[in-house]
Amino acid sequence: GEDVEQSLFLSVREGDSSVINCTYTDSSSTYLYWYKQEPGAGLQLLTYIFSNMDMKQDQRLTVLLNKKDKHLSLRIADTQTGDSAIYFCAESADRDDKIIFGKGTRLHILP
Amino acid sequence: SQTIHQWPATLVQPVGSPLSLECTVEGTSNPNLYWYRQAAGRGLQLLFYSVGIGQISSEVPQNLSASRPQDRQFILSSKKLLLSDSGFYLCAWSEGNVNEQYFGPGTRLTVT
Repeated sequence: GEDVEQSLFLSVREGDSSVINCTYTDSSSTYLYWYKQEPGAGLQLLTYIFSNMDMKQDQRLTVLLNKKDKHLSLRIADTQTGDSAIYFCAESADRDDKIIFGKGTRLHILP
Repeated sequence: SQTIHQWPATLVQPVGSPLSLECTVEGTSNPNLYWYRQAAGRGLQLLFYSVGIGQISSEVPQNLSASRPQDRQFILSSKKLLLSDSGFYLCAWSEGNVNEQYFGPGTRLTVT
């Protein structure tokens, strides 16, 4: 069945770039998402990318997609303390299809 | 603008007691609605989704049930809670033909 894998923890120094990686198994994935969950709160959609795109940039966020390797990454430039959260990678095969989530990567910011 | 509400924010219930969690959405019509559970170390698991009033699809077998009595109201229930039901329950909505989902603040349930 479909599966989304990501590492559980990442520590980054304030001001450095954070790169959160994700792999997925469903070759029919069309939409790939990154969600952010701050402590004790719900999920917030950060960005998404269509499978026919290689890259999407939005201010400090850059999403890279390697469709051949089924690898998705989220780069956060100039990481700040407010970026401390859990980041979920997710995919769906279609607009109307259910979303499959990874287990989330907890980003910890070092001073 | 659209908003999504969940209550209660936290809940502590004994094993065997009933459960009712409520989710309401404002500012949109005929949304798709979802219930997720986030358990420690297990990521986010889709429990139920609904594309309309009275239409509920269950993703995993369990002792939970969901109902949608009104267009923008989604309720998660249980007749008898188990210890394994503890977790963070998230409600989400999406437009009918777009899969971008928007999440509520969540309910943290502890079953003792």
